[in-house]
Formats: sequence, C-alpha cells, structure tokens
Amino acid sequence: GENVEQHPSTLSVQEGDSAVIKCTYSDSASNYFPWYKQELGKGPQLIIDIRSNVGEKKDQRIAVTLNKTAKHFSLHITETQPEDSAVYFCASIDRDMRFGAGTRLTVKP
Amino acid sequence: DGGITQSPKYLFRKEGQNVTLSCEQNLNHDAMYWYRQDPGQGLRLIYYSQIVNDFQKGDIAEGYSVSREKKESFPLTVTSAQKNPTAFYLCASSPRDGPYEQYFGPGTRLTVT
Repeated sequence: GENVEQHPSTLSVQEGDSAVIKCTYSDSASNYFPWYKQELGKGPQLIIDIRSNVGEKKDQRIAVTLNKTAKHFSLHITETQPEDSAVYFCASIDRDMRFGAGTRLTVKP
Repeated sequence: DGGITQSPKYLFRKEGQNVTLSCEQNLNHDAMYWYRQDPGQGLRLIYYSQIVNDFQKGDIAEGYSVSREKKESFPLTVTSAQKNPTAFYLCASSPRDGPYEQYFGPGTRLTVT
C-alpha cells in the first residue's frame, strides 16, 4: 500500500513552547487526513482532521495544515502542556487508511 | 456510555493455540476494523467490515480470521498460523461507508510464548 512518512520520531519541548509534527503522503487521491493522540496503554484518540478541500484547520491549541501540491500536512501544538505528552500519529485516506509510524512527544515542565 | 470496548486488556497464550479477541461497539457504526500495532511502527490493517456478514482482508490478514454476525461485534481470531502474534491489537469503528473518522477501542495486548 501507499506509505505515510512521519517526522520526527521523537520530539522534546519545554512547557509553553510549540511543537510541530510533519507527514508526507504519496497517493494524490488521498482526501482525508486525521491526527491521533495515543497515551500509554490506550487506543488512539482522534484529535483533529482535515479534508483535501481545506488548507488549514484550528481547534484551540491544535492546528493542522495541508499542502496538497507538496503532499504534506503538519500538526501544530501551541502553548504545550505536560498532558500533551503522548505518541501522535498522522494518517491519510483514499480507499484505506494509512498511518505514519508515530511521533513521541515529551513536554518537559 | 457509548464507545468501543475490547476485552481482555491483557491476554497470554501458549504458542500453537488459537485465541479470540473481543470488540464491541454501541455507537451504531456500520464499519469496523482491526489493526495491529508493533513498537516503532504505524498501525497496520488486518481486516475490516463495512456491513454485517461481510468483511475484507487488510494488508496483513494472513494468520487471522474474523466474523461479523452482528453490527455491534467484530471478533478477531489469532490462529496458530500467525508467525509473530505478540502485539497490541486495536479495534476501531466508523460511522460512514469508508475509513473516515475512525474511533478506537482501548486495545488488547496479546503475548504468545
């Protein structure tokens, strides 16, 4: 299947700083791009998503941007807090959902 | 309290035994999915079902089987033919015909020795 590349694999920031996670997809037919947060020992939780007809979407401290020409999309978390620490997964969907390998975000108090 | 439940949370089996993982949802979702998660990797699709009594193989279906006799339930059987069954298994469901807006259960960690 088509791949989704996610970077970085680990990210450590100081509380209050911003965090950015980037993903690149290969299938130009992809039309839906969700982001999931997974805490230790739990299932992934959908935190924000964007569709291919939109370039940016915000929800409080979280935003996602999409560049269809370059086939990449990014998650932006502002004013990070220790409870933001988790593994974040991106995904892209055309017919099937393809997941990135995940980014372990650590927010240091 | 709506959601997706998976049981048990931890499961231990001896090599050569089949084992069935439970997944139940009360969200009235049509589609259900099973994923496998290994350390350092993204989720990989095992099987999915868009309607009762119908299901399709995902990317890594070998050694697994499923059934969809009820809309609410989508059990996964890990057979002895699965060469590396130890993993974290996640069930998900979505309200639409297609893999959009998937909601995940808490997962089952299977250890086979």
